[in-house]
Amino acid sequence: SQQGEEDPQALSIQEGENATMNCSYKTSINNLQWYRQNSGRGLVHLILIRSNEREKHSGRLRVTLDTSKKSSSLLITASRAADTASYFCATDLLQDDKIIFGKGTRLHILP
Amino acid sequence: NAGVTQTPKFRVLKTGQSMTLLCAQDMNHEYMYWYRQDPGMGLRLIHYSVGEGTTAKGEVPDGYNVSRLKKQNFLLGLESAAPSQTSVYFCASSYEAGQGYTGELFFGEGSRLTVL
Repeated sequence: SQQGEEDPQALSIQEGENATMNCSYKTSINNLQWYRQNSGRGLVHLILIRSNEREKHSGRLRVTLDTSKKSSSLLITASRAADTASYFCATDLLQDDKIIFGKGTRLHILP
Repeated sequence: NAGVTQTPKFRVLKTGQSMTLLCAQDMNHEYMYWYRQDPGMGLRLIHYSVGEGTTAKGEVPDGYNVSRLKKQNFLLGLESAAPSQTSVYFCASSYEAGQGYTGELFFGEGSRLTVL
């Protein structure tokens, strides 16, 4: 099974609402990263949080990390139609140089 | 600034044929990765490289080979293509984390491979 698992698999919300998606992982990490993928395109890096950090902000994005629970959450505030995409968490494993992705959350912003 | 470039973008193969996907990056990154993306499976790591002349296995390496003869290029080879290798392949590169760098990945636009 994969190192990272996002929850929920799919999420539909009204424009202007906040979107929260979660990521759980299994082994120790150097850092955890969130990426966005628009349909048919490559992934784009959104934000990185190191294992010794608990919370990080970037514009409308807020990421938290709980290493004791091996989980992270991504909050997108004041969602926009352009936020419609798939979001993936990726863990940079402590034991080696692998970066392992979860299965992603498909976010759909309703007008 | 091209970033990460993958060639070809589309390819159709017959079962048993071989082919090579090329990934080129112009950012002087040490680390390079090959992933495959299948519906409902997210991205799975095939092979990766932490520097010129080095390669390592990822999560799903069987049926693939890689080479990193030059720092800027990372080649993914399919020796004998199978229908199960029909997928979208993504290459990514990054600096080594540390020395002021965070290790975030920069992705190419993907190569869509169909094996009949």
